[in-house]
Amino acid sequence: QKEVEQNSGPLSVPEGAIASLNCTYSDRGSQSFFWYRQYSGKSPELIMSIYSNGDKEDGRFTAQLNKASQYVSLLIRDSQPSDSATYLCAVNAGDYKLSFGAGTTVTVRA
Amino acid sequence: NAGVTQTPKFQVLKTGQSMTLQCAQDMNHNSMYWYRQDPGMGLRLIYYSASEGTTDKGEVPNGYNVSRLNKREFSLRLESAAPSQTSVYFCASSRQGMNTEAFFGQGTRLTVV
Repeated sequence: QKEVEQNSGPLSVPEGAIASLNCTYSDRGSQSFFWYRQYSGKSPELIMSIYSNGDKEDGRFTAQLNKASQYVSLLIRDSQPSDSATYLCAVNAGDYKLSFGAGTTVTVRA
Repeated sequence: NAGVTQTPKFQVLKTGQSMTLQCAQDMNHNSMYWYRQDPGMGLRLIYYSASEGTTDKGEVPNGYNVSRLNKREFSLRLESAAPSQTSVYFCASSRQGMNTEAFFGQGTRLTVV
């Protein structure tokens, strides 16, 4: 079983809609959770971090964490064409190790 | 402010050749990492350096060596390249450990023929 699994995508949403990305992880002891955005041919960049159960909002992005269900999600509200990218879920696997999911590619249709 | 700088950006090697990928950060970060990214596999950790003077294996270290030259620089060496090492390589750094934000370099696209 992979340590971090994401819905495979690709995910296509119309402009202005909500994009919902899901991620599950296997290590119940994980404490830190991240969402990275990666444009095609570019490097990943951090867009959200979450450490405690519940929701965390930053602009149009909301991260949700449920440690009991070992589940973390990312909602992108009012999706824009500039949100078209691959979104990587990452979970800490020790102080110096981060396990990444394979990523979900999002396409926002104008 | 350059952040994390990797060289080269592209490289083609023949099987059996060696090369070193260079990485430097100017953010005074303690921790540095090397990842590889393959289609459908996400990012996989090759080696990391928690702080200057230390290095440790990650998930896929075979065929690679690293050197933490100083606080700024962390290099990745392929001693005898194999086609299975064809990948995109990313260097990253963070202030201390992976519970703090990691910043990635622009990547090196390596092809081994």
